[in-house]
Amino acid sequence: QKEVEQNSGPLSVPEGAIASLNCTYSDRGSQSFFWYRQYSGKSPELIMSIYSNGDKEDGRFTAQLNKASQYVSLLIRDSQPSDSATYLCAVTLAGGSEKLVFGKGMKLTVNP
Amino acid sequence: DTAVSQTPKYLVTQMGNDKSIKCEQNLGHDTMYWYKQDSKKFLKIMFSYNNKELIINETVPNRFSPKSPDKAHLNLHINSLELGDSAVYFCASSQRTSGNEQFFGPGTRLTVL
Repeated sequence: QKEVEQNSGPLSVPEGAIASLNCTYSDRGSQSFFWYRQYSGKSPELIMSIYSNGDKEDGRFTAQLNKASQYVSLLIRDSQPSDSATYLCAVTLAGGSEKLVFGKGMKLTVNP
Repeated sequence: DTAVSQTPKYLVTQMGNDKSIKCEQNLGHDTMYWYKQDSKKFLKIMFSYNNKELIINETVPNRFSPKSPDKAHLNLHINSLELGDSAVYFCASSQRTSGNEQFFGPGTRLTVL
């Protein structure tokens, strides 16, 4: 069973702090990695995708990928109350690039 | 607006009924998906079609039958609804040649009474 594991939450940070969300995956051959944000009662929204080792920055968001250690993380700098949501890590399986396996999500609360 | 749309947004029905959910995308993508998100918010793939061809068919009761009339539409028909089918069903789409970034529709909240 190919799995994607996220830290058990919830995570609470003060406004302006850095929020760090982590994810590990079991399929060593996975090639594509995604972070989705899901507000309560809404659909998942793609916020970051990363395909190669290292860091990828987009505004206040940085995704980090380490394929050797099989982990991917998301850093949110200068956290805002509007970042409060559930963050889902998703990984495609090797050999089946269309199939996304999601983690169970981490609920982030940013306190004003 | 370019998007993935689903109808209906809410569906409340009795056990044993048959119902359908429709999905349309105008993003020009070639692959569409159905996901189920249960009460614990776990999101799981059910089916996927690429250019009208079924490419992912997870272990799902055969009461669930997807249909893709063309690459912009994917429907989900559910026969003999059961209480455990209550969940939010999301449609998504992606372009196979673009890293499989999947974009989700607004979801259909199904409640079986």
